Amino acid sequence: NAGVTQTPKFRILKIGQSMTLQCTQDMNHNYMYWYRQDPGMGLKLIYYSVGAGITDKGEVPNGYNVSRSTTEDFPLRLELAAPSQTSVYFCASSYLLGSSGANVLTFGAGSRLTVL
Amino acid sequence: QKEVEQNSGPLSVPEGAIASLNCTYSDRVSQSFFWYRQYSGKSPELIMSIYSNGDKEDGRFTAQLNKASQYVSLLIRDSQPSDSATYLCAVTGQAGTALIFGKGTTLSVSS
Repeated sequence: NAGVTQTPKFRILKIGQSMTLQCTQDMNHNYMYWYRQDPGMGLKLIYYSVGAGITDKGEVPNGYNVSRSTTEDFPLRLELAAPSQTSVYFCASSYLLGSSGANVLTFGAGSRLTVL
Repeated sequence: QKEVEQNSGPLSVPEGAIASLNCTYSDRVSQSFFWYRQYSGKSPELIMSIYSNGDKEDGRFTAQLNKASQYVSLLIRDSQPSDSATYLCAVTGQAGTALIFGKGTTLSVSS
């Protein structure tokens, strides 16, 4: 059982380049998320999805795009990389826990992106 | 803007002591509360969840929730050097909404 798999683990981009961070989960979770974490900071929500075909913006969506064509995959696209997007990116998935609606997240190992 | 506030620390305690980590949140309709532990260079891992007022104990960990005060805390008893990590408080609002994280508190346990 792989859980949440992110690729690549490390990437260096030049300003203005584009790339896609891949995220796949094999737990049949409906909910998927992308967070970014800057040094010494907590996690900031970029985008999330409550199911295939449905996505919504989080706290810091500018400069990113997502799609959710299948339950398993939730790629994050950076169209014009900027130094401010240098960060560690975490993908996560979750299920709803009973009537409380609690989202118990399972995280991927993270992708470290540097934009120079 | 929904916010989750934590003291960034570092919080330093000797081995065997009780470590107390605190978190406040701004959204009164928040329903679910979590503590994640994150070792340096690793992804966060869930250590405690709490949904109703009061205390919840799991081994050396106790989570405390006071919705009236919009306050949640984590106590770690008999702290060990292996507990040295950053502890992230996370809060979700209404059912199905995404988690909002605090900046985390760095805990250092000295032997």
